[in-house]
Order: sequence, then C-alpha cells, then structure tokens
Amino acid sequence: KAGVTQTPRYLIKTRGQQVTLSCSPISGHRSVSWYQQTPGQGLQFLFEYFSETQRNKGNFPGRFSGRQFSNSRSEMNVSTLELGDSALYLCASSLERGAEAFFGQGTRLTVV
Amino acid sequence: ELKVEQNPLFLSMQEGKNYTIYCNYSTTSDRLYWYRQDPGKSLESLFVLLSNGAVKQEGRLMASLDTKARLSTLHITAAVHDLSATYFCAPGDSNYQLIWGAGTKLIIKP
Repeated sequence: KAGVTQTPRYLIKTRGQQVTLSCSPISGHRSVSWYQQTPGQGLQFLFEYFSETQRNKGNFPGRFSGRQFSNSRSEMNVSTLELGDSALYLCASSLERGAEAFFGQGTRLTVV
Repeated sequence: ELKVEQNPLFLSMQEGKNYTIYCNYSTTSDRLYWYRQDPGKSLESLFVLLSNGAVKQEGRLMASLDTKARLSTLHITAAVHDLSATYFCAPGDSNYQLIWGAGTKLIIKP
C-alpha cells in the first residue's frame, strides 16, 4: 500500500513568487492536513481538508491556501513568497477526521 | 482550547539508561498519538492511545495514557543510539484536530 506522496521534494523560489505543493494521500484516506515546520516555530498546523471542504484552519495569513479534489488529493498554494516561508511543508492523511495521521516525506521550500 | 506541554524539550542520555518523556494537556481528549521524527525526515507514527489506562509497547518504548490526569508518558528502557530522534505527542481536540507538543529532542550517547 503506497504511503502519502508529496511533490516536489525540494523547491527553491524567489521572494514574491508563488508556489503550489501537492499531496496524494493513502488510498481510502479522506482527511488531509498540512503543516509547516521550521526550527524556530516547530510544527504548525496550516489547514485540514475533508470531503473537498476546508474543516480547520491554522493561524496563517491569506497567502496560504489549499484545496482538495474529489479523489482526496490536495494542493496548497503560497502566494507572494517571503523569506520566512522557507520551511519543511508536511502533508498528513487520515482515514477519518481526527484519526491517526500518516505523514508524507515533505516538501522543503527555500525562498531566496 | 487544548494546549499541550511536553517535557523535557531536550534530553541527552547514555545508552542503557531509562527515562520518561511527559506530555501534559489542558482539556479533555479521547485520543493521543506519539510520533517520532529523525533529523531532516518526516514524522512516523509510534503509538495510538484511545482510552484511559491504555498502555502500548514496541521494543524499548512504552507509552501510556491517563485521561483523568491529562497525562501521557513515553518511557524508554535501556536506551540505544538508534532511538535518538525528536518525539512528539499529539492529543486530539473536540474539533478533530491534533494538537502538537513542541517535541522532545532525544540524544543517546554510546
């Protein structure tokens, strides 16, 4: 059974650009959550999607957005990138909301 | 609002020793998860604790949950170098969200 797949694994972007990250959950999992992890702030929740609807949102500016498709795959978008957006972005999928989360390998974003 | 406190945040210990990581949380939760993260890697699920008094063991790691005390522990027995990692606890809140502790960075020296 394939795990959670995140693409791309590494990304370098320039300030002001935008970026889209992709997450394919484990087959059958309907909940997808996104996290930002930095050395200074630790693991911070971005948002959760279930049945194509955003169910929870963390305390991030509107530049951070996401969506979920009918096949449960999810994307997150960050517009007008800032240096502080450099981080490891992790996607996790769960069979149901609040259940055990399985994480992808992450996308390491560097903003220069 | 559910808040989580892990301690210690950093732990350096010798191989062969025992130690416990504590995870306290502020309001009622009916489930709690422990995860492990190796440097530069993603998070790996270790334990799922779903009821008061639940105890799970895997190798040298044992996790327990006391919902009345709002406390979970992760006990390490006879530590080995391979257990060096950062460990996170995450209780679930009433809105189906996992609330993450700050993580305990564990370094085990030979």
